[in-house]
Amino acid sequence: QSVLTQPPSVSAAPGQKVTISCSGSSSNIGNNYVSWYQQLPGTAPKLLIYDNNKRPSGIPDRFSGSKSGTSATLGITGLQTGDEADYYCGTWDSSLSSAVFGGGTQLTVL
Amino acid sequence: EVQLVQSGAEVKKPGESLKISCKGSGYSFTSYWIGWVRQMPGKGLEWMGIIYPGDSDTRYSPSFQGQVTISADKSISTAYLQWSSLKASDTAMYYCARTMVQGVDFDYWGQGTLVTVSS
Repeated sequence: QSVLTQPPSVSAAPGQKVTISCSGSSSNIGNNYVSWYQQLPGTAPKLLIYDNNKRPSGIPDRFSGSKSGTSATLGITGLQTGDEADYYCGTWDSSLSSAVFGGGTQLTVL
Repeated sequence: EVQLVQSGAEVKKPGESLKISCKGSGYSFTSYWIGWVRQMPGKGLEWMGIIYPGDSDTRYSPSFQGQVTISADKSISTAYLQWSSLKASDTAMYYCARTMVQGVDFDYWGQGTLVTVSS
């Protein structure tokens, strides 16, 4: 069981928007920054969002992040078939003194 | 160009020891933390621990404390993950990744090392 809870799967049509939620607690999301990763099949994860809502250089603005209380959300607009991947949230957990990841969400672009 | 290059796939028997590596280049190796992340077959990401090669400060996830050892040799810009006695449940892909701060903001990743433990 992951400390952070994500839906196992989401789906949407090309061109549409999708959101992926990540739920935690005051010891992790509530008091620490959240990052989001994209993992395409057979590849290493790629950082999409850090510090809740910042995008690394090269990440298109179709990807956005937000946080409210003990939950965080990844938004993807203008969905493309190439966005089909697993998405993970992650943050520091002050109680565990360790970083934690969510269980991952598989995105299907129908 | 920043690169993290990991050692090749390993096939081991239960009870054997193993040390895999992650060599950094294209940046100041001693100025960033290197973390290790496990991904078991068909499963999600698990944060194992991190090391700061500058002073070898090391932190472990409670789930991995005592199960693995993370180390680094800054003279050759290489971090390591090692096991003293492998179990079948250690079969997984292991990634190293770089972060500026202790945490989960990994901006560059290695290609992964597949470890298979089977009798």
